Amino acid sequence: KAGVTQTPRYLIKTRGQQVTLSCSPISGHRSVSWYQQTPGQGLQFLFEYFSETQRNKGNFPGRFSGRQFSNSRSEMNVSTLELGDSALYLCASSLALGTMFGAFFGQGTRLTVV
Amino acid sequence: AQSVTQLGSHVSVSEGALVLLRCNYSSSVPPYLFWYVQYPNQGLQLLLKYTTGATLVKGINGFEAEFKKSETSFHLTKPSAHMSDAAEYFCAVSDPDGRYNNNDMRFGAGTRLTVKP
Repeated sequence: KAGVTQTPRYLIKTRGQQVTLSCSPISGHRSVSWYQQTPGQGLQFLFEYFSETQRNKGNFPGRFSGRQFSNSRSEMNVSTLELGDSALYLCASSLALGTMFGAFFGQGTRLTVV
Repeated sequence: AQSVTQLGSHVSVSEGALVLLRCNYSSSVPPYLFWYVQYPNQGLQLLLKYTTGATLVKGINGFEAEFKKSETSFHLTKPSAHMSDAAEYFCAVSDPDGRYNNNDMRFGAGTRLTVKP
């Protein structure tokens, strides 16, 4: 069974630009969560999608948004990029909403904002 | 709201020695608890989880953890360290039913494990 696939693996963007990251969950998994990982703040929850609806949201500005498609694939978008948005963005898929099933992470997308 | 504290940002052990990584949680409801491992330039891999039932949980790669409610702890152990165990380890907590309106996991700051030959 294929794992969680995130594309692209690496991105370099300029301040003020926008970026879209993609995540394909494990087949049959319907919940997708996104996390930001930085050396200073560690792992922080961005949002969770289930059945194409955002179910939970972390404490991030509105520049961070996402969506989920009917095949459970998810994208997250960051607009008006700032230097502080440089981070590893991790996507995690779960069988269903909630964490009791455990979350399975992709390898992440390393975003560098210059 | 839940939170976790990992004691020790760096732990160094000799190959073959006991590995003990400490995690204490704060939660006003019985939590779900997780340990994840992250190798360089990789995502997180689930080692083990505690939801309900037996308090001693066995995971992959010979790791186990024990949920101790009285101590609000969920320490990760492995009897004998291997060079391949060198990585960063994260403890995480979540609210089982989102009664505080979140199903997200809250991660600790991580503990970097070094294994000396």
